[in-house]
Amino acid sequence: DQQVKQNSPSLSVQEGRISILNCDYTNSMFDYFLWYKKYPAEGPTFLISISSIKDKNEDGRFTVFLNKSAKHLSLHIVPSQPGDSAVYFCAASPATDRGGSEKLVFGKGTKLTVNP
Amino acid sequence: EAQVTQNPRYLITVTGKKLTVTCSQNMNHEYMSWYRQDPGLGLRQIYYSMNVEVTDKGDVPEGYKVSRKEKRNFPLILESPSPNQTSLYFCASGREADTQYFGPGTRLTVL
Repeated sequence: DQQVKQNSPSLSVQEGRISILNCDYTNSMFDYFLWYKKYPAEGPTFLISISSIKDKNEDGRFTVFLNKSAKHLSLHIVPSQPGDSAVYFCAASPATDRGGSEKLVFGKGTKLTVNP
Repeated sequence: EAQVTQNPRYLITVTGKKLTVTCSQNMNHEYMSWYRQDPGLGLRQIYYSMNVEVTDKGDVPEGYKVSRKEKRNFPLILESPSPNQTSLYFCASGREADTQYFGPGTRLTVL
């Protein structure tokens, strides 16, 4: 049972345009969501996160939106740059009784290509 | 430099030959974890550790063992590797699961 779904394996956009990467989740116990970026031959690197008590978090060109009722989050990159070309993983962390997090569940990833 | 290191980075072995992939972090993180990445399947967690001597299974623990005797090290052990364990492996560490820093990866091929 896939709890975090990234239904688009790939996305291609033009430089300067907006990139929108989508992620859906099924587990209502998830309370913290993250996006990781991965270049070939490197480990994933943290990009941006959002707590379930918020609906938007912004960091420079990157904004993550969370719609809890729809169990959907999205990552917006504006403007897109060729250096943003990478695989983007959505991840979610379930709440624990003690607070904090113990697990991170990843989606399958979306390969973003930004064309010059 | 704060980092997570893995060794070896590349390994080709044969079925049944025990191997260990080491993972070390210099950030004094309590949380460490192992993932495997396979085409079309994304990142799947193998094992994680909340602290020294505290380990727990992730989503795909079969065929793997781990130990956490020291805070900085979290080796992944394959007692009897099989071809279906051919994969790209990542170690990660963090204060918690939601703030993980990943190592560069170990590409394992089991013939």
